[in-house]
Amino acid sequence: KAGVTQTPRYLIKTRGQQVTLSCSPISGHRSVSWYQQTPGQGLQFLFEYFSETQRNKGNFPGRFSGRQFSNSRSEMNVSTLELGDSALYLCASSQDLGGGYEQYFGPGTRLTVT
Amino acid sequence: AQSVTQLDSQVPVFEEAPVELRCNYSSSVSVYLFWYVQYPNQGLQLLLKYLSGSTLVKGINGFEAEFNKSQTSFHLRKPSVHISDTAEYFCAVSSTGTASKLTFGTGTRLQVTL
Repeated sequence: KAGVTQTPRYLIKTRGQQVTLSCSPISGHRSVSWYQQTPGQGLQFLFEYFSETQRNKGNFPGRFSGRQFSNSRSEMNVSTLELGDSALYLCASSQDLGGGYEQYFGPGTRLTVT
Repeated sequence: AQSVTQLDSQVPVFEEAPVELRCNYSSSVSVYLFWYVQYPNQGLQLLLKYLSGSTLVKGINGFEAEFNKSQTSFHLRKPSVHISDTAEYFCAVSSTGTASKLTFGTGTRLQVTL
């Protein structure tokens, strides 16, 4: 079974631009979560989607948004990029909602904002 | 709300020596507990998880952890480490409710040397 895939793997953007990251979950998984990883703040939860609905949201500004499609693929968008948005963005998928379901992480998208 | 404290940011150890990585958590509700490992330029891989039942949990690659409710701890141990265990290790919690949101600790860098 293929793992979680994220595209692109690396991205360089300029301040003020916007960016869209993509995540394809493991086949059959309906829940997709996004995390931001930075050296200063560590791993922080962005949001979770299930059946095309946002179920949970972390403490990030409205510039960060996401969506999930009917095939469970998910995208996250960051508008008006700031230098502090430089990070590794990780996507995780799980079979269903609930803390007991194992989350499988993708390799991440490394975003650099200059 | 939950929080996770990993007391050691770095743990140097010689190959074939035992190691313990410490994790303490705080939560007002029941939680599930996890240990993840992250190798350079990769996503997170689940080592083990505690959902319920036996407080001693065995995971992959020879790792095990013990859940101690009274001390709110979930320390990770391995009796004999290998060079290949060099990586970043993250302790995480999630609530036992419907949310899959993981709250991570700041990570412990395990450095194994000859």
